[in-house]
Amino acid sequence: EVQLLQYGGGLIQPGGSLRLSCVASGFTLNSYAMSWVRQAPGKGLEWVSSLRPSGSTTYYADSVKGRFTISTDNSKNTLFLQMNNLRAEDTAIYYCAKTSTRSTGGCLDSWGQGTLVTVSS
Amino acid sequence: DIQITQSPSSLSASVGDRVTITCRAGQSISNYLNWYQQKQGKAPKVLIYAASSLQSGVPSRFSGSGSGTDFSLTISSLQPEDFATYYCQQSYNTPYTFGQGTKLEIK
Repeated sequence: EVQLLQYGGGLIQPGGSLRLSCVASGFTLNSYAMSWVRQAPGKGLEWVSSLRPSGSTTYYADSVKGRFTISTDNSKNTLFLQMNNLRAEDTAIYYCAKTSTRSTGGCLDSWGQGTLVTVSS
Repeated sequence: DIQITQSPSSLSASVGDRVTITCRAGQSISNYLNWYQQKQGKAPKVLIYAASSLQSGVPSRFSGSGSGTDFSLTISSLQPEDFATYYCQQSYNTPYTFGQGTKLEIK
């Protein structure tokens, strides 16, 4: 059974950094593209970042480019999102998600439980 | 960026009703359109991928159609567990934009 278990998140001051983790089980991370999607309180879904297998190619929303970094540790079957220079508008529930294919152009067929990131002083 | 316009933003319907939600892309995205269901406090779940393919385990009352710029999700006979928020998403090009969402409520 495919499972994605998320860790990290919490309350952080503006300008601070945080790293989210997403531990995958039931499949090999290196075989599928992976993504992060966020949802601000009471709002819709926003795609944040995607990564092809082996971290060969990464993609970012303009709103996070240069501040967020997506990566994997294949030895731990874990996906990460390093978030730097956080802003109030980054406050959201962050979901990791598995793509159905090696390409990032598939659907998001499995999701983590979500983790809340609150950026506030 | 590819704009996705989803409508309606909310919808009231009764158990047994047939409902349709639509998404329009700002340019042709072939069939790179996916539909998700999100219940309150839960992660989204994929229902339809590649515009019209039913995800494994999803009831057959859900169906998707369309290609190019115009797409729709239809629920043929609403069940109590279908009251949720629905999102479309284009996976043709980054940024992989989502529609604004349709909140389906009980009438």
